[in-house]
Amino acid sequence: ETGVTQTPRHLVMGMTNKKSLKCEQHLGHNAMYWYKQSAKKPLELMFVYNFKEQTENNSVPSRFSPECPNSSHLFLHLHTLQPEDSALYLCASSQGREGGTGELFFGEGSRLTVL
Amino acid sequence: GQNIDQPTEMTATEGAIVQINCTYQTSGFNGLFWYQQHAGEAPTFLSYNVLDGLEEKGRFSSFLSRSKGYSYLLLKELQMKDSASYLCAVMDSNYQLIWGAGTKLIIKP
Repeated sequence: ETGVTQTPRHLVMGMTNKKSLKCEQHLGHNAMYWYKQSAKKPLELMFVYNFKEQTENNSVPSRFSPECPNSSHLFLHLHTLQPEDSALYLCASSQGREGGTGELFFGEGSRLTVL
Repeated sequence: GQNIDQPTEMTATEGAIVQINCTYQTSGFNGLFWYQQHAGEAPTFLSYNVLDGLEEKGRFSSFLSRSKGYSYLLLKELQMKDSASYLCAVMDSNYQLIWGAGTKLIIKP
């Protein structure tokens, strides 16, 4: 496997469920990110990890809980979500913090539907 | 506030040329990026401009004018596979990426 892989690709959950999204990068990068992508809206940065340490938390509701056990894996734990949380959740990695050229490598996303 | 503006949707004909504009107002500037995103797929990096001028990469070129807060992505010899969304993003003085909402490009035969 190469690049950034996300699982599951699609997820449907009720508002009382607990689920997790997983991201794995095989690029040897130091930084990993969670973004939310909603239709016709700009990408919203949710969380940033550098060397497994969280460096950004952009006022994300506590029903989203990130976990970064090592520099290759990133999780997003979901619980008691709302229908407006339905979106495409993209994981990305880069060589460093969003500096240098800033080139991000994205996974194909997890399409989340909250009923 | 910080803002990136780009057209929501554009239509062009196969074999033609299309220019997608991006204007920005940000707190500082550390580079402008273009990404391509096909429906249901990951965004992929296309170009990076930090100095004024034109960067050419095959059929795709990207232009930057920092004084005008303006960039464009130029796609030549359009192919059907170029149908995608094109995302403009600017890195501000804090090295935060500010994203536009994307331009959906539709290519017609």
